[in-house]
Amino acid sequence: GQQLNQSPQSMFIQEGEDVSMNCTSSSIFNTWLWYKQDPGEGPVLLIALYKAGELTSNGRLTAQFGITRKDSFLNISASIPSDVGIYFCAGPRDTDKLIFGTGTRLQVFP
Amino acid sequence: ETGVTQTPRHLVMGMTNKKSLKCEQHLGHNAMYWYKQSAKKPLELMFVYNFKEQTENNSVPSRFSPECPNSSHLFLHLHTLQPEDSALYLCASSLRWGLAGVGSYNEQFFGPGTRLTVL
Repeated sequence: GQQLNQSPQSMFIQEGEDVSMNCTSSSIFNTWLWYKQDPGEGPVLLIALYKAGELTSNGRLTAQFGITRKDSFLNISASIPSDVGIYFCAGPRDTDKLIFGTGTRLQVFP
Repeated sequence: ETGVTQTPRHLVMGMTNKKSLKCEQHLGHNAMYWYKQSAKKPLELMFVYNFKEQTENNSVPSRFSPECPNSSHLFLHLHTLQPEDSALYLCASSLRWGLAGVGSYNEQFFGPGTRLTVL
């Protein structure tokens, strides 16, 4: 079945550094979503991508829909302590369901 | 404010108790979901409701019983749970495909979750 692999599993970075993470699929997706989950809270939608090659920004966050439609990338520039959390990618399975990646846990040190 | 609320935020229950989790969405969506999130595991879809009709039961044990009285409310009734059922239970909602335009039907919005501990 479909599965989404995220890498890295965890990152420990210094405040101010840039962050890159990616998500790969065994099959083609026509939508990629990126979520962030703070400890003890539900995931919050950050960016939605709908077209291969699309590059979309949300503040310091930039996400790209890979040309092969089997991957997506999320970059965070100039990280700050509140960027701490778990970042999930997600893609559609059937018309109304999502499959989620395993998550990238980000820790930012001052 | 996410537009999706869940109560209670925390729940501790014994294995013989009966309790219910509640979810309410204020976004005008017509699909609602229950997910289970355990430590170090991907989000697990439990149930899907479209227009109050259950369209997915992802092999969930019968000790979990969902109820969707209308498109804005979703419940998860819990009965004789096991300690391994301890997890964060998340509710989400979305606009059903075909009614929202290209792409937006995939966007699910989550509530803050209920942290459940079964003793």
